[in-house]
Amino acid sequence: EIVMTQSPATLSVSPGERATLSCRASRSISTNLAWYQQERGQAPRLLIYGASARAAGIPARFSGSGSGTEFTLTISSLQSEDSAVYYCQQYNDWPPYTFGQGTKLEI
Amino acid sequence: QVQLVESGGGVVQPGRSLRLSCVASGFTFTNYAVHWVRQAPGKGLEWVAVTSYDGSNKYYADSVKGRFTISRDNSKNTLFLQMNSLRVEDTAIYYCARAYSSNLNNWFDPWGQGTLVTVSS
Repeated sequence: EIVMTQSPATLSVSPGERATLSCRASRSISTNLAWYQQERGQAPRLLIYGASARAAGIPARFSGSGSGTEFTLTISSLQSEDSAVYYCQQYNDWPPYTFGQGTKLEI
Repeated sequence: QVQLVESGGGVVQPGRSLRLSCVASGFTFTNYAVHWVRQAPGKGLEWVAVTSYDGSNKYYADSVKGRFTISRDNSKNTLFLQMNSLRVEDTAIYYCARAYSSNLNNWFDPWGQGTLVTVSS
């Protein structure tokens, strides 16, 4: 099973600043990685797939990068509505499909 | 618009059974694999099971294998999760989520709003 590890667990950033969230896979997953945003009390929403492709309707200030075992989600010009928990997920080697434990972003 | 709506959650005693449903609309259900993902209270996301577009292939997390069964009725655009021998640790919000395509090697989009299952005596 591929273990996904996210860091940091919690990140506090001021509005207008940039947030960088990290995700590490226990072995190479190529670019078969997705990022999801989960606002409080809501279902997860797809942000990024293929490590760097933005999903439909996702603002350009969300960007993803990385390949192999190291991945990054960058959110520039943070807004208050970006407060949420962010999860990475691998779909390279399954079952099981595995998620990171999440990063809570506080604005 | 593309939509997934779960139902069937509730409070159930340990050892009992429950069947969840997920009705799909706004897309051709038979063209997509579909997953169940759960989230225990205050915890992260855990993948539970997936069925291929035609129901011929099914995969499960080790934590539910032998107790849960995923199935689909393509004539009714509906996904099911039969949960038997429920345990306290199965308490969670259960989400259905569509795969990007019929291919199982894909991300999940969109997700339903979830249905809460509470296993308690």
